Amino acid sequence: DTEVTQTPKHLVMGMTNKKSLKCEQHMGHRAMYWYKQKAKKPPELMFVYSYEKLSINESVPSRFSPECPNSSLLNLHLHALQPEDSALYLCASSQGHSTSTDTQYFGPGTRLTVL
Amino acid sequence: DAKTTQPPSMDCAEGRAANLPCNHSTISGNEYVYWYRQIHSQGPQYIIHGLKNNETNEMASLIITEDRKSSTLILPHATLRDTAVYYCIVRVWGNQFYFGTGTSLTVIP
Repeated sequence: DTEVTQTPKHLVMGMTNKKSLKCEQHMGHRAMYWYKQKAKKPPELMFVYSYEKLSINESVPSRFSPECPNSSLLNLHLHALQPEDSALYLCASSQGHSTSTDTQYFGPGTRLTVL
Repeated sequence: DAKTTQPPSMDCAEGRAANLPCNHSTISGNEYVYWYRQIHSQGPQYIIHGLKNNETNEMASLIITEDRKSSTLILPHATLRDTAVYYCIVRVWGNQFYFGTGTSLTVIP
C-alpha cells in the first residue's frame, strides 16, 4: 500500500480565516513533506519533517505553520493567507533514508482557494 | 534552482514508444534521478529512479548516459492514459526533490 491521503480535497477560505490541511500515511514512513503547486508550474518544496522534527523550511512565510503530531500525520495550519496563496497543496511521504534511494509517495492534494 | 531541463511538450502516437529526454548536467555523483508523472491536477505518481545504471520496471525504462549528464525515460507502448506531465527530478542529499519544469506528453490516437 503506497497511499497518502489528504483532507479536504477542496478548501475555500477568506483572508481572515484559520484553517488546516491534513495528511496521513500508514506506510511506516518517517519523512513527510509539504509542496505547493501553482497552475501549470512544478511542485515547490515547502517543508520537510524527518522523524517528526522539522528539518527543512524553504523560507516559507509564517502564515503557513506545519505540524507533525506523530509519524503518520502531518498538518499545515493556515492563517491570514493572501489570494496568491491559492494553489494545489501536496503532501508526500518517504521512508526517510537521506543517504540512499528514498522514493516519495504523493497524496492527491488539497485545492486551496483564498478569497 | 532547477537542476533539470526538459522539453516543454511532446507528442507520441498511441502504441509507439515515448522517449522523454532530461538534461541534468550539474548532477553530483551521489544524486539520484527520479521520474514522476502528474495527470491533470492529481498528485505526482512515481515511475522509476536510477543512479548510473539503466533501470526497467513494469511502467518504464530509464536510460542514464555514462557521464550522467542526461537521461531518457522510455514508455515502451504509450497509451492514451499516459498523457500527463512528466517530471525529471534530481534527488539531492537529505530528502530534497527539485522538480524540473516537466514535459507535457500527449499521446495521440
